[in-house]
Amino acid sequence: EDQVTQSPEALRLQEGESSSLNCSYTVSGLRGLFWYRQDPGKGPEFLFTLYSAGEEKEKERLKATLTKKESFLHITAPKPEDSATYLCAVHPDSNYQLIWGAGTKLIIKP
Amino acid sequence: KAGVTQTPRYLIKTRGQQVTLSCSPISGHRSVSWYQQTPGQGLQFLFEYFSETQRNKGNFPGRFSGRQFSNSRSEMNVSTLELGDSALYLCASSFQDNSPLHFGNGTRLTVT
Repeated sequence: EDQVTQSPEALRLQEGESSSLNCSYTVSGLRGLFWYRQDPGKGPEFLFTLYSAGEEKEKERLKATLTKKESFLHITAPKPEDSATYLCAVHPDSNYQLIWGAGTKLIIKP
Repeated sequence: KAGVTQTPRYLIKTRGQQVTLSCSPISGHRSVSWYQQTPGQGLQFLFEYFSETQRNKGNFPGRFSGRQFSNSRSEMNVSTLELGDSALYLCASSFQDNSPLHFGNGTRLTVT
């Protein structure tokens, strides 16, 4: 069964304290993996798409990486405005429908 | 470029009523997907429309329906509302298959 698991469920960091969020997936074949950021009361905002193992994408303090079984969202020297829920979604070969993780709630304390 | 627009932003309805939510996708995007989001269940896929045809459907009862118009705008309807239908309903559009979804800010539906 296609499955996406995100960890941890919640993460509290001090401002400037770097860390990583994990998205592990079990799918028959990967067409793409997507990272989103969601602020309370708003829709998810697209961050990155990764298509193949070894691929990396960067945007400001965020860097997404992909292996054959998982993706990491690395956040470097985070600021309070990076606080949000980060969602991962996988597009498997076997299904048009995206498989979504439950998200990681990130809190950056000043 | 304007983003995905959903109306209304908030709705309060009573059990048994019906509701229609509207979504205007990004210009040029022909695919529109609908999701239900609740704290306990996360993002749940409702259905996806492409060029006025429902292309994919999630595991929701028939009370949930949708349609897409020739200008790609989409509506979803929920009939005979239940308390459990209270949720944030999100619409997302995409340019083509396997391209990123772009979400609106949702309609917050409360059923009392």
